[in-house]
Amino acid sequence: AQSVAQPEDQVNVAEGNPLTVKCTYSVSGNPYLFWYVQYPNRGLQFLLKYITGDNLVKGSYGFEAEFNKSQTSFHLKKPSALVSDSALYFCAVRDWNNFNKFYFGSGTKLNVKP
Amino acid sequence: KAGVTQTPRYLIKTRGQQVTLSCSPISGHRSVSWYQQTPGQGLQFLFEYFSETQRNKGNFPGRFSGRQFSNSRSEMNVSTLELGDSALYLCASTDRDRGLNEQFFGPGTRLTVL
Repeated sequence: AQSVAQPEDQVNVAEGNPLTVKCTYSVSGNPYLFWYVQYPNRGLQFLLKYITGDNLVKGSYGFEAEFNKSQTSFHLKKPSALVSDSALYFCAVRDWNNFNKFYFGSGTKLNVKP
Repeated sequence: KAGVTQTPRYLIKTRGQQVTLSCSPISGHRSVSWYQQTPGQGLQFLFEYFSETQRNKGNFPGRFSGRQFSNSRSEMNVSTLELGDSALYLCASTDRDRGLNEQFFGPGTRLTVL
């Protein structure tokens, strides 16, 4: 079975500081991992994905994520947070046997304070 | 290209009624997936339609059904509404023909069941 866990309901960071939003996964087979962001009253927006290749994946809006197979983690990072990054972030894994069936984490609310 | 559109944006229904939600994918995308988002359960996969056929299904009762038309537009129907069906319903389109995994989400339909 596939699943992802986001251990933090909320992350608070000051503007200009680095941010990390954590995600761990459990999959049978190779993991296809994704990060999405949701702003209030909006749908989810794709940030980045890991399919294969380099463990450091770069995505939209200056975000990147580090895939760590030994720790089964896929943490989202940004070197310098902006107030406009405040939103709800979701980690997701694609079902190994089903092309378009995804399992989402519970979400982490990121608060960036000026 | 225009994004994913969902109609209506807001709905208020009473228990026992039925409701139909509509989703128009990005032009050229033939895969449409539906999700239910609630504060308690997070994002849960309902089903996916591709080329007018249901390809994947989540763990929801038979009251939740869907279909897809030849122009790739999809509808989701919920019959005999229950209070617990109150949620944000999101649809996402994917360019499955090109083997791409990224899902592009619509703004959602907010359903309130009284």
